[in-house]
Amino acid sequence: GQNIDQPTEMTATEGAIVQINCTYQTSGFNGLFWYQQHAGEAPTFLSYNVLDGLEEKGRFSSFLSRSKGYSYLLLKELQMKDSASYLCAVRVDSNYQLIWGAGTKLIIKP
Amino acid sequence: DVKVTQSSRYLVKRTGEKVFLECVQDMDHENMFWYRQDPGLGLRLIYFSYDVKMKEKGDIPEGYSVSREKKERFSLILESASTNQTSMYLCASSSGTENTEAFFGQGTRLTVV
Repeated sequence: GQNIDQPTEMTATEGAIVQINCTYQTSGFNGLFWYQQHAGEAPTFLSYNVLDGLEEKGRFSSFLSRSKGYSYLLLKELQMKDSASYLCAVRVDSNYQLIWGAGTKLIIKP
Repeated sequence: DVKVTQSSRYLVKRTGEKVFLECVQDMDHENMFWYRQDPGLGLRLIYFSYDVKMKEKGDIPEGYSVSREKKERFSLILESASTNQTSMYLCASSSGTENTEAFFGQGTRLTVV
């Protein structure tokens, strides 16, 4: 079967760094996405990894290890507006379907 | 600015009603998707479409059908609404190239009573 695991909830302090992990067991792998979703809003794209290594984009970075079935999203210099759910999704084949994790709710405290 | 628009933010329907959820995208995308999102379960794919008049079942198609008569519009139909279809419904679109992200509509929160 297809499975993606993320922590349900995390708490961090404004200005700090937080790492959100995602592990996957899927029948195939053709890329991993991270999305941000504020409460009551649509998910918005953050990052895409298809090769091993770190992709940096401003305060956000995403890492992938295909051999370990593992990714993380790193958020630096946390701001209150970063309070949201973070969704990990894996594309398992070339037809653009995604398998989604349940999401990690990140709470930022002052 | 790219846009995926869903026809309603909130809907309340009665059990047994036929329900239409509409989605329009203005990015000329080939691919369109309908998901439902429930707490603790993540996004689950109901149906998707790669082209006009083309549709494929996702993971949970039972009780739903879709229509794509024009490239920009993808409709989700609940043939006979039931209370277990109360959920957040999200439409998304993406282009036909492999490493591009999906863009989502704002979601329709459907309550079936």
